[in-house]
Order: sequence, then C-alpha cells, then structure tokens
Amino acid sequence: GEDVEQSLFLSVREGDSSVINCTYTDSSSTYLYWYKQEPGAGLQLLTYIFSNMDMKQDQRLTVLLNKKDKHLSLRIADTQTGDSAIYFCAEIWERGGSQGNLIFGKGTKLSVKP
Amino acid sequence: DTEVTQTPKHLVMGMTNKKSLKCEQHMGHRAMYWYKQKAKKPPELMFVYSYEKLSINESVPSRFSPECPNSSLLNLHLHALQPEDSALYLCASSQEETVNTEAFFGQGTRLTVV
Repeated sequence: GEDVEQSLFLSVREGDSSVINCTYTDSSSTYLYWYKQEPGAGLQLLTYIFSNMDMKQDQRLTVLLNKKDKHLSLRIADTQTGDSAIYFCAEIWERGGSQGNLIFGKGTKLSVKP
Repeated sequence: DTEVTQTPKHLVMGMTNKKSLKCEQHMGHRAMYWYKQKAKKPPELMFVYSYEKLSINESVPSRFSPECPNSSLLNLHLHALQPEDSALYLCASSQEETVNTEAFFGQGTRLTVV
C-alpha cells in the first residue's frame, strides 16, 4: 500500500537552514507536495514538484527530488520563527485511470528557536 | 482567489444533535474533498466529490453524510456522533480529481462531540 514517511521533529535556530526529509512509496507519483500547517489552522500548499524534475526553488524554499531513492526534501533558507509549524509531505495515490488522491506523511514539527 | 472557506470554525455538539459543516470555493474547481484530522496525525480522506457526484467514500460511518448542492458548495451533515469523532474537519478542492491534483485546503472546523 501507499506510505509516506517523515521524521517527526526538527529544531533549528533562527537564521539557520532547515531541511525536512520525506520518503514515499509510489514510484509512479507524478506530483509531490509540501503543505504547512500552523497550530489550529488548515493546510497551506507551500510548493510542489513534478516527478521529472530534480529541483525546484521558490524564494526561501528549495525542493529536492531523488526519484531513484524515492526521497523528497524541503529546505527552508534563513528560517524564521514564523516558519514554526508542522510540514506535511504528500504524494498522489493513483486509484486508476487518471484519478488520484493525496496521501500525507505523518508531518514534521519544525521548531525555530530565537 | 485561492480560498476555500469553511464554517463554522468551531462546533460543539451533543451525541443526539444534528449539525452541518459547510465548505465553499469559487475557484471553479470540480473536485471537493472532506478530510478528518485527529490531533498530531495527518489528514485522512473521508469523501471525494467530482463534478458534484460522490466519487469516493472511504468507508466512513453513515453518521457522516456528505452533500454537494452545487459545484461551489460541499456540506457534511452530522448526526448521532460519538466523542471519538471529535477532530479537525478539513475541506479541500482541486481543479479536477486527477493525478496532477493541486489541492487547496480550508482552515477547518474544529468539532467537539460531548
């Protein structure tokens, strides 16, 4: 079955870079996503990467994809206290035909210390 | 406008009550989703509507009844819930229910069953 794995916690100091890692199982996943969830809030789509890409950069965010190892990472440069949140990696689980649904990892709680 | 609006933000209900959660989007998305998120867990898919028709029901108990009155609205009717149903209920939408799904989430309804 489908499974997305993430480490549960990450603690960094303000100004440092954060790297959140994820491994996924469905080698046919066409898109992979990173969502951010602040306490008591919904999920915010941060970025996504298409499976034929190795890297995508969007301002402070860099996504790296190693399709051979099914490994996805999210790097946040110059991490700020406002980046403290839970970050979910998600892949599309293909149900058949072109239908697909998001499957989330357990989430990584990022704590940023001043 | 990439907003998915959910009401109410908080709901407390007794086990004999009937209540409804509402979700609205005006992005022209044709797929809408209900997710349930327990504390410190990832969101779990409950229902998917595609073009106003129920596409997926992830074996959800009948005390949860979804409804899609039109392409912009999605409701979740609640009846005879149990305390273990207390959770954050998230609505999401995407352009289509396909493998390149870019889903946008609402802020959620925090439900407490007493």
